[in-house]
Amino acid sequence: RKEVEQDPGPFNVPEGATVAFNCTYSNSASQSFFWYRQDCRKEPKLLMSVYSSGNEDGRFTAQLNRASQYISLLIRDSKLSDSATYLCVVNTPSNYQLIWGAGTKLIIKP
Amino acid sequence: DTAVSQTPKYLVTQMGNDKSIKCEQNLGHDTMYWYKQDSKKFLKIMFSYNNKELIINETVPNRFSPKSPDKAHLNLHINSLELGDSAVYFCASSPNLGQGYEQYFGPGTRLTVT
Repeated sequence: RKEVEQDPGPFNVPEGATVAFNCTYSNSASQSFFWYRQDCRKEPKLLMSVYSSGNEDGRFTAQLNRASQYISLLIRDSKLSDSATYLCVVNTPSNYQLIWGAGTKLIIKP
Repeated sequence: DTAVSQTPKYLVTQMGNDKSIKCEQNLGHDTMYWYKQDSKKFLKIMFSYNNKELIINETVPNRFSPKSPDKAHLNLHINSLELGDSAVYFCASSPNLGQGYEQYFGPGTRLTVT
């Protein structure tokens, strides 16, 4: 099992719709979780940290499910500008490394 | 005002050559990283430096040698380039090695080895 797994997509979603995707992680001792966004041919940028209690930032909601070892990202009222690849990132408790998922590609269509 | 900068942005070179990529951050961060993103888009850490000291050195061929002259700079030198080295190389920094810190990325260097 990969350390961090994501559905690569692409998810083709009409503008205005709600979309959600998950990311599973293998190390139950992981403590820090993040969602990054990467636009085509650009660098990754932090979208949200994921807290145990879940967190929301505008149209974006992130949740952590420790029992099932996954994190989720929900995007409401999707915009064309949300089209990007969303990368799930999980820390490794044994050292200072972050493990990156391969990303989920999201395409918002007008 | 660029936070993490890399030069060059594009690098096209032939097999067997030696090349360097430079990275600078003006955020006052203690920790810097080199990542490789291949054609399948996996982002894989190569090296991590904290206060100029090597912390993480993943399974990377010893043709790759990082150098940190000060904590604001982390350069990557690659000897005897191979076709498989073609990828995008990202430099990143974070305030410290702590697990909860955001990483800030440079724009990437797209390396093509022919």
